[in-house]
Amino acid sequence: GESVGLHLPTLSVQEGDNSIINCAYSNSASDYFIWYKQESGKGPQFIIDIRSNMDKRQGQRVTVLLNKTVKHLSLQIAATQPGDSAVYFCAENGNYGQNFVFGPGTRLSVLP
Amino acid sequence: SQTIHQWPATLVQPVGSPLSLECTVEGTSNPNLYWYRQAAGRGLQLLFYSVGIGQISSEVPQNLSASRPQDRQFILSSKKLLLSDSGFYLCAWSRTGVTEAFFGQGTRLTVV
Repeated sequence: GESVGLHLPTLSVQEGDNSIINCAYSNSASDYFIWYKQESGKGPQFIIDIRSNMDKRQGQRVTVLLNKTVKHLSLQIAATQPGDSAVYFCAENGNYGQNFVFGPGTRLSVLP
Repeated sequence: SQTIHQWPATLVQPVGSPLSLECTVEGTSNPNLYWYRQAAGRGLQLLFYSVGIGQISSEVPQNLSASRPQDRQFILSSKKLLLSDSGFYLCAWSRTGVTEAFFGQGTRLTVV
């Protein structure tokens, strides 16, 4: 079936550097995408979303890029901090928006 | 503001015992409700979602069932737990339409 996947299962970055987490999706009909952050033992927290009529959206220190041509989504974190260490999931709406399909996640480790 | 409550936070149950996990949402009406399972170090697997009272859609055939007896209450159940039912169970809600989902803090279930 349709699925959302991630290129990199783990990512280590130096504190202060920028992080880029990538995601590939396969459902060309998806029109809404979300990035979540999950800290150990907690539920995922919403970071930022983007709709398919946009190719870029910025938040506080985070930017999401959407390339519909190659069905690719990325999350950029500027000036990565130790508190950014977590697992990051991309998700796409499925079944006409009634549920969400999550990728397997990327673990981000911030090195001092 | 809207809040989601999920309990218990941790649960250890013997094989063959029943299960009942409860999730309630406050501060909104007619939410979409979801149950996800997350195996250790893995992504989120959608188990059930509901768009209204008594309306349950199952994404994966399994040993579990879900019910929505009230608008803002979602229950995950099993008559007889299996070892493979161990995992981190997450309840989530979203507004009607294509919007982000908000997650509870999760229940860590260990079947022994």
